[in-house]
Parts: sequence; C-alpha cells; structure tokens
Amino acid sequence: DGGITQSPKYLFRKEGQNVTLSCEQNLNHDAMYWYRQDPGQGLRLIYYSQIVNDFQKGDIAEGYSVSREKKESFPLTVTSAQKNPTAFYLCASSIPVVHQPQHFGDGTRLSIL
Amino acid sequence: RKEVEQDPGPFNVPEGATVAFNCTYSNSASQSFFWYRQDCRKEPKLLMSVYSSGNEDGRFTAQLNRASQYISLLIRDSKLSDSATYLCVVNIPWTSGTASKLTFGTGTRLQVTL
Repeated sequence: DGGITQSPKYLFRKEGQNVTLSCEQNLNHDAMYWYRQDPGQGLRLIYYSQIVNDFQKGDIAEGYSVSREKKESFPLTVTSAQKNPTAFYLCASSIPVVHQPQHFGDGTRLSIL
Repeated sequence: RKEVEQDPGPFNVPEGATVAFNCTYSNSASQSFFWYRQDCRKEPKLLMSVYSSGNEDGRFTAQLNRASQYISLLIRDSKLSDSATYLCVVNIPWTSGTASKLTFGTGTRLQVTL
C-alpha cells in the first residue's frame, strides 16, 4: 500500500533538547512538506522540498531544520531554539505540479515535558 | 485580509439535511482549489478537487467562482459520519519552481446529529 508514514505518533521534548520527527513516503513523489497545526488554527508551512537535496523555508521555519538526502525521506528536527514546539506536526507529499493535491501522513503530536 | 477565509462554525445540522460551506480567497493568481476533511486529532484527507465548471462526487458538490474568488461545498443528505472539520485549500503559486504553496483555511466544523 502506498502512503506516508510519520513516526513517532507522540513525542515529548525536554527543555533544551532537539528532537527529530520522521517522515517516509513510498508514493514516488518528488515534493514533500512539513506543516504545523495548533488548536483552532489552520496548517502553517514550516519547510518544503521540491526535489532531493533541495529544500526551502516556509512561513514559520525559525527553530526548525530539515534534510532531504533521499526521495523517500524528509525528517524534521525541532531544535531548542523553537520556544513553543507543542503542536501537531503533519508531513505531506505531492507530485510537484500545480493541480496536484497533497497527501498527508497521520501526524506526530509533540509536547514539552 | 487572510489568504483563505472560512466561517469556523460549528454548523449543527440534523441527519438528512443539506449544508453548504463557503470560502473566499485573496490571491487572484490561485489556480488550484481543494476541499479536505479533517477528523478530530487526525490528518487532513482530500475530499475533492474543485474545478472551474463545478464538480460533483456523490452527495458532495463543489463550485468555484473565480470572479468573486469564492469556493463552496454542498453536502446533501448529511450522515452522522460527515461530522468533521472541512478545510478549504487554495494554491498560491511560488515565484520559482513548479510546485506551489497550498494555503489552508482554518476549517468549518460540521456536527451532524440524529
């Protein structure tokens, strides 16, 4: 079955700690995205990548970092510089063409200990 | 003005009712439009793309009015299982590359009751 797998489902971060959220897709999509969703708010774009070895900042990239070494994988690191990391993090992928929708993984909930 | 605006609801309707959601967008260069459904504490799932001529998928009908920069979603014969938050999604073309940014509305919550 093709899809997007995010792990872990739940993650807890201590003060001053960096944590990495995993996102893997087997849809053969070139483009991948990371979003953050806070309660009662829409999704906000953190980073996106249109192709392997390339990625760009989204609207709220501060305190986050990504890598795109393989087409299938787009991990997100939440660094200690992100002062309010508690949120629902969603990874998505798509064919990088205008009219193609994005498909989402089932998300990671990050909380501060 | 927000890039994508939706009435947050909640819309409380009885089973079998017809309910309509509206959405406005601010960027006239937008080319792609979608409705996603998001259940509580779950990921958004694509409900349908919205085409210029309007399109229907079973009980769901989507309409686009480019002149007014307005999108709608109509749900007929509501079921209990339709209870969810419906997200209006609009693409904003990037200045470079072929992909475009999807901007998500905050969603309209629907609660269908017996």
